[in-house]
Amino acid sequence: KAGVTQTPRYLIKTRGQQVTLSCSPISGHRSVSWYQQTPGQGLQFLFEYFSETQRNKGNFPGRFSGRQFSNSRSEMNVSTLELGDSALYLCASSLSGVGNYGYTFGSGTRLTVV
Amino acid sequence: DAKTTQPTSMDCAEGRAANLPCNHSTISGNEYVYWYRQIHSQGPQYIIHGLKNNETNEMASLIITEDRKSSTLILPHATLRDTAVYYCIVRVATNDYKLSFGAGTTVTVRA
Repeated sequence: KAGVTQTPRYLIKTRGQQVTLSCSPISGHRSVSWYQQTPGQGLQFLFEYFSETQRNKGNFPGRFSGRQFSNSRSEMNVSTLELGDSALYLCASSLSGVGNYGYTFGSGTRLTVV
Repeated sequence: DAKTTQPTSMDCAEGRAANLPCNHSTISGNEYVYWYRQIHSQGPQYIIHGLKNNETNEMASLIITEDRKSSTLILPHATLRDTAVYYCIVRVATNDYKLSFGAGTTVTVRA
């Protein structure tokens, strides 16, 4: 079956702009979570959605937001981009977000802010 | 979440077993031990998880000590494709909606 699909794979944006990243989970998976990965901070949790509701949020400023659609696809948005937002953004899907199984990650979107 | 401690890096010879240690001395009774790995430029990949019993799947074996304060991930016959960063994570499976990644162990498999 198809894995987790993230688009686009690469993105270059200018400081001050906003960006929207997309994630399509594995069919049947209803939980989608987002992570930011930078060399300095490693992998950090952004937020998690289940059935269009945000259930958990990491310690990121309000410029980072997300949403989930009825088909479980999710988008995350970053407004007023800063140079420090340059990172690999990863999406992970799971059946319900909890339980004794693993998450499946996408290959990520590499965002560069110049 | 309980914190984990892993060595920063380790080398392994191709074809040999790779034993990756993880300390989680403050683990709670309802926290599971999960292992993920991340190959360069890819998303993390789930490997295995366990609560108290040893576990084995097609990728690896997980050995958890009786007091659950540490565990070891075993890659039985390491290949060059096993070169990656390996993360040990403890998590309450029933109500924790996230994974808390540490710095992990960079494993380099050498020919």
